[in-house]
Amino acid sequence: AQRVTQPEKLLSVFKGAPVELKCNYSYSGSPELFWYVQYSRQRLQLLLRHISRESIKGFTADLNKGETSFHLKKPFAQEEDSAMYYCALRGGATNKLIFGTGTLLAVQP
Amino acid sequence: ETGVTQTPRHLVMGMTNKKSLKCEQHLGHNAMYWYKQSAKKPLELMFVYSLEERVENNSVPSRFSPECPNSSHLFLHLHTLQPEDSALYLCASSQAGGNEQFFGPGTRLTVL
Repeated sequence: AQRVTQPEKLLSVFKGAPVELKCNYSYSGSPELFWYVQYSRQRLQLLLRHISRESIKGFTADLNKGETSFHLKKPFAQEEDSAMYYCALRGGATNKLIFGTGTLLAVQP
Repeated sequence: ETGVTQTPRHLVMGMTNKKSLKCEQHLGHNAMYWYKQSAKKPLELMFVYSLEERVENNSVPSRFSPECPNSSHLFLHLHTLQPEDSALYLCASSQAGGNEQFFGPGTRLTVL
């Protein structure tokens, strides 16, 4: 079965501290993984995708097929990073996205 | 208006009412989606339309009826809903086969 697991509902860190938001997936084929973010009072939007291997707003995520993980990392958290982060898996021909339950990142000053 | 818009933004309805949610995208996409976001549950895909054809129906009860009259518009017709259907309903669009889905602001639905 296709599934995305985000074990942490809330992650609270101080400004300047490293951040790692965990995501594990279950998928039988070659997965495409994404991180979406929702800032307060804004709509859900794409943050980054694994195939691009890009760094967006200082965030990176590496697909680890051996551990079936796609953790989101940032070396130094900023207050403006506070948001809800969703890991998502795309599977099948219909472009369907399967989302995790989300992790609320709170960056304290 | 640019991007993906949804109307109404808030809706309160009784269990016997019939209402419709509307989604419009101005991005030239050809795939559209309905998602349901309930408290403490992951975003759940409800329906996918690609090139105006429904290609996915994720075991959604028949009291939810989607309609996609053209590639820019998507509706979700609601009738005889239950209180547990109260949730945020999100619309999204993308290019068919494309990587990124663009989301609307959602409609907050409350069923009394």
